[in-house]
Amino acid sequence: DAKTTQPNSMESNEEEPVHLPCNHSTISGTDYIHWYRQLPSQGPEYVIHGLTSNVNNRMASLAIAEDRKSSTLILHRATLRDAAVYYCILKLGGSQGNLIFGKGTKLSVKP
Amino acid sequence: GAVVSQHPSWVICKSGTSVKIECRSLDFQATTMFWYRQFPKQSLMLMATSNEGSKATYEQGVEKDKFLINHASLTLSTLTVTSAHPEDSSFYICSARDLAGVGSRFFGPGTRLTVL
Repeated sequence: DAKTTQPNSMESNEEEPVHLPCNHSTISGTDYIHWYRQLPSQGPEYVIHGLTSNVNNRMASLAIAEDRKSSTLILHRATLRDAAVYYCILKLGGSQGNLIFGKGTKLSVKP
Repeated sequence: GAVVSQHPSWVICKSGTSVKIECRSLDFQATTMFWYRQFPKQSLMLMATSNEGSKATYEQGVEKDKFLINHASLTLSTLTVTSAHPEDSSFYICSARDLAGVGSRFFGPGTRLTVL
């Protein structure tokens, strides 16, 4: 599985946007970019995923570089409930491939 | 969104006993379920993949005789930790993929196992 690199931790202020980066320079053409987050003592929660084009949903936006070697998860207005570990994961499309978790980025949100 | 439940949410047992953890997909049918383990301050580690009606596929280094997985129906998979020891204390999380096989996966809330 192709590897992703994320900062260990980031801090944000409440109600401000947060940009969480992820590098995946060895991504293959069939890999989708997935983001999950895990709140303390809970199972991971799906956030968003994409292949080439930028994606938006009610939780976040995903900006994918043109060469697909990096991506950025954007939380438009961070809240205290967004404090979690965010995982950027590459996975084959559809039913193929497993979700292999790296270390993720621990996001802290200050009031 | 789809819901996956786990039971129990936490369990404390004595060393040498066996513990069964259930994972259920509540509003969809899951052909495939995944079991993860997470130690404190670490990331999730995939233990095994189970397909309904067939044997589970274990990741390298995971003992299949110690972590018994049964996926007898499209909505239920169980993980049994046999002869548990303190080093098996961990957060066990299951994940499910629905019949449509879409890219996203749904995770359970996790089961905290403490072996005394």
